[in-house]
Amino acid sequence: AQRVTQPEKLLSVFKGAPVELKCNYSYSGSPELFWYVQYSRQRLQLLLRHISRESIKGFTADLNKGETSFHLKKPFAQEEDSAMYYCALSGGSTLGRLYFGRGTQLTVWP
Amino acid sequence: DAGVTQSPTHLIKTRGQQVTLRCSPKSGHDTVSWYQQALGQGPQFIFQYYEEEERQRGNFPDRFSGHQFPNYSSELNVNALLLGDSALYLCASTRQGNTIYFGEGSWLTVV
Repeated sequence: AQRVTQPEKLLSVFKGAPVELKCNYSYSGSPELFWYVQYSRQRLQLLLRHISRESIKGFTADLNKGETSFHLKKPFAQEEDSAMYYCALSGGSTLGRLYFGRGTQLTVWP
Repeated sequence: DAGVTQSPTHLIKTRGQQVTLRCSPKSGHDTVSWYQQALGQGPQFIFQYYEEEERQRGNFPDRFSGHQFPNYSSELNVNALLLGDSALYLCASTRQGNTIYFGEGSWLTVV
């Protein structure tokens, strides 16, 4: 069964510190992994997807199939990064359907 | 392009009542999905519509039903509302496996 686990519900760092938001998944096949972000009072929006291998707003995420992880990283956090981050998975016969983790609320202190 | 638009933004219903939520997909998108997001949880997939037919369905009871119109807009209907149906209902649209865009959601409170 498909499952996405985000072990940290809350994560706080100071501005300029590195940040890593953890995401582990279970899926029997080749999944497509995403990170979505929701800033305060805004809609859920795509931050990045693993197939594009882009760096958005300084964030990167590498798909580790051996560890079934897709952690989100940024070397120097900014206050404007404070938001709710959701890891999500799609794939196979359920393409177009997203399975979400419960989310991690990131707070970046000045 | 207004993106995915949903209505209403907030509504309050009584247990046992029925509710209809509406969604207009992003321009050019033909696939619409609905998600339920309870407080403190990630969005949970309800169902997906393509070419006016339900293509995929999540683990939700038959009280949850939907429809897609020829212009690709969609409705979510929930019958016999329960207190546990209180949540944010998100509509998402896409086309041919490309980026999935979300609306701002409809907040449903069942009292």
